[in-house]
Amino acid sequence: GDSVTQMEGPVTLSEEAFLTINCTYTATGYPSLFWYVQYPGEGLQLLLKATKADDKGSNKGFEATYRKETTSFHLEKGSVQVSDSAVYFCALSDQTGRRALTFGSGTRLQVQP
Amino acid sequence: DAGVTQSPTHLIKTRGQQVTLRCSPKSGHDTVSWYQQALGQGPQFIFQYYEEEERQRGNFPDRFSGHQFPNYSSELNVNALLLGDSALYLCASSSPLVKATDTQYFGPGTRLTVL
Repeated sequence: GDSVTQMEGPVTLSEEAFLTINCTYTATGYPSLFWYVQYPGEGLQLLLKATKADDKGSNKGFEATYRKETTSFHLEKGSVQVSDSAVYFCALSDQTGRRALTFGSGTRLQVQP
Repeated sequence: DAGVTQSPTHLIKTRGQQVTLRCSPKSGHDTVSWYQQALGQGPQFIFQYYEEEERQRGNFPDRFSGHQFPNYSSELNVNALLLGDSALYLCASSSPLVKATDTQYFGPGTRLTVL
């Protein structure tokens, strides 16, 4: 079945450091790929998405590129802020994005001032 | 525009009891999905409802059941609660009618504690 593997956390960075959170997937066909963020005590918020190979999703300085050849969707940000501290989840679904989402286990990011 | 809402926020039950959680989808959305998120884990898909019918189901026992109403709101019912059912239950809504917004949007969740 479909699966998503994320790098384990926590990831601890200083403010303005470069961020990479690795995500690889296993799926049949051509899934849509997502990054969701969960702030303490809250539900999931969509951060960005990509629906086909070589698409780049971006939002709030975060970006990720859909790499079919390496089955990866790594999350990057050039300069993190304390307010970016949260848990980040990589997820996939079928092409439409409307069916079940399969999530990774999440990566906790802690940004220190 | 109200987003996805869920009630209650928190709930404490004892083993063997039954619980009902409620979800109202985002305006314009007609599809509701439920997920279980255990502490420190990613959400796991329970099932999805569309047009008042269960359209897709994850690997959860029959103790987990649901319902969707004509106004698209939904309930998740869990019978014979086990300690392992303690988790954050997330509801997500989406719409199959507007391709540009085929993303699932999540509510804040209901925290269920089983003692």
